[in-house]
Amino acid sequence: AQSVTQLDSQVPVFEEAPVELRCNYSSSVSVYLFWYVQYPNQGLQLLLKYLSGSTLVKGINGFEAEFNKSQTSFHLRKPSVHISDTAEYFCALKDTGNQFYFGTGTSLTVIP
Amino acid sequence: EAQVTQNPRYLITVTGKKLTVTCSQNMNHEYMSWYRQDPGLGLRQIYYSMNVEVTDKGDVPEGYKVSRKEKRNFPLILESPSPNQTSLYFCASSFGLATNEKLFFGSGTQLSVL
Repeated sequence: AQSVTQLDSQVPVFEEAPVELRCNYSSSVSVYLFWYVQYPNQGLQLLLKYLSGSTLVKGINGFEAEFNKSQTSFHLRKPSVHISDTAEYFCALKDTGNQFYFGTGTSLTVIP
Repeated sequence: EAQVTQNPRYLITVTGKKLTVTCSQNMNHEYMSWYRQDPGLGLRQIYYSMNVEVTDKGDVPEGYKVSRKEKRNFPLILESPSPNQTSLYFCASSFGLATNEKLFFGSGTQLSVL
């Protein structure tokens, strides 16, 4: 069975500081990995995705993530956060089947 | 504008009163799905559809029904709602999962069952 674990439910960080949101997954088959962002009162939007190839993927708004197969991780990073990055972030996994599996989310709060 | 539209945005109902949450997409997507979002549990898939007249259960299908009579619409039906179905619901669609395209999400429906 597939599963996604987001290790931190809440991450406070000061503006312009770097941030890392952690995501680990469990799967016995090949996976495709995604990060989605949810701003208040909105649906989820795709930040970035890893399908194959380079393990470092870049997304929108300056975010990037690194796929680490040996560590079964897909951590999200940004070198300098802005107030507008305050949101809920979800890591998601899709295997070769027809379902997406989401983590429980990490609430990022950027402090002025 | 490409979008997934859910209605209503907010809904308060009572136990046992049948309700339908509508979902429509204008992108000619084949894949559509429903999720519920609960604090501490993230998003959990209720049902999904690979195409017209093709639906399948997700992780938490109990108490829900869906139909896919047209490609653009994928309504979620609660025949006899109960308080444990109070949640935030999202509809999502995608061109197709074979190419691992991203999901497009609606704005959500906040349901309260009293």
